[in-house]
Amino acid sequence: SQTIHQWPATLVQPVGSPLSLECTVEGTSNPNLYWYRQAAGRGLQLLFYSVGIGQISSEVPQNLSASRPQDRQFILSSKKLLLSDSGFYLCAWSVGGHLIYGYTFGSGTRLTVV
Amino acid sequence: AQSVTQLDSQVPVFEEAPVELRCNYSSSVSVYLFWYVQYPNQGLQLLLKYLSGSTLVKGINGFEAEFNKSQTSFHLRKPSVHISDTAEYFCAVSENDMRFGAGTRLTVKP
Repeated sequence: SQTIHQWPATLVQPVGSPLSLECTVEGTSNPNLYWYRQAAGRGLQLLFYSVGIGQISSEVPQNLSASRPQDRQFILSSKKLLLSDSGFYLCAWSVGGHLIYGYTFGSGTRLTVV
Repeated sequence: AQSVTQLDSQVPVFEEAPVELRCNYSSSVSVYLFWYVQYPNQGLQLLLKYLSGSTLVKGINGFEAEFNKSQTSFHLRKPSVHISDTAEYFCAVSENDMRFGAGTRLTVKP
């Protein structure tokens, strides 16, 4: 069966420090991968999505970047964190080209920038 | 492009009362519709989905939703809620990609 792993679960980082969040998927090939952010009391904001290795699309301009070095690995990064980067970050995957299956989400990372 | 509107940001109800969480969508073509639930500090879990066929869809935890094409709605219902149903609920529509509503926070009071 397919599983998605996201870590760490919680993270407290000082302003100006770097960030690396990792997401891996098991049990499937060539998934579409997504990074979402939830700010407190707000809905889901799509940050990045990827349909293949090295293919990254950004939905909004921001202080973050994403990379997909392997088929089932998706990394969210920042060189220098801002206070406004605080939030709940969710990774998700879907079967490429088959939205009838919906998305499967990871358990999320709570990032607090102090 | 498709969009989703969840009409209520917060819905407080008492335990064992019925609840309806409203969702309206806009799309120019046939779409797939989903409801997800998010418990505190967790990811989203799929509750149910509508792809085609019967307009009444049953999901996990006793929830169901009804697809109404003429009203472009996909409201989520449960006849009797429990304290454990307290969570954030997201409606989503997929056309070329997945679009999520802003979420409805359901709070079940004893």
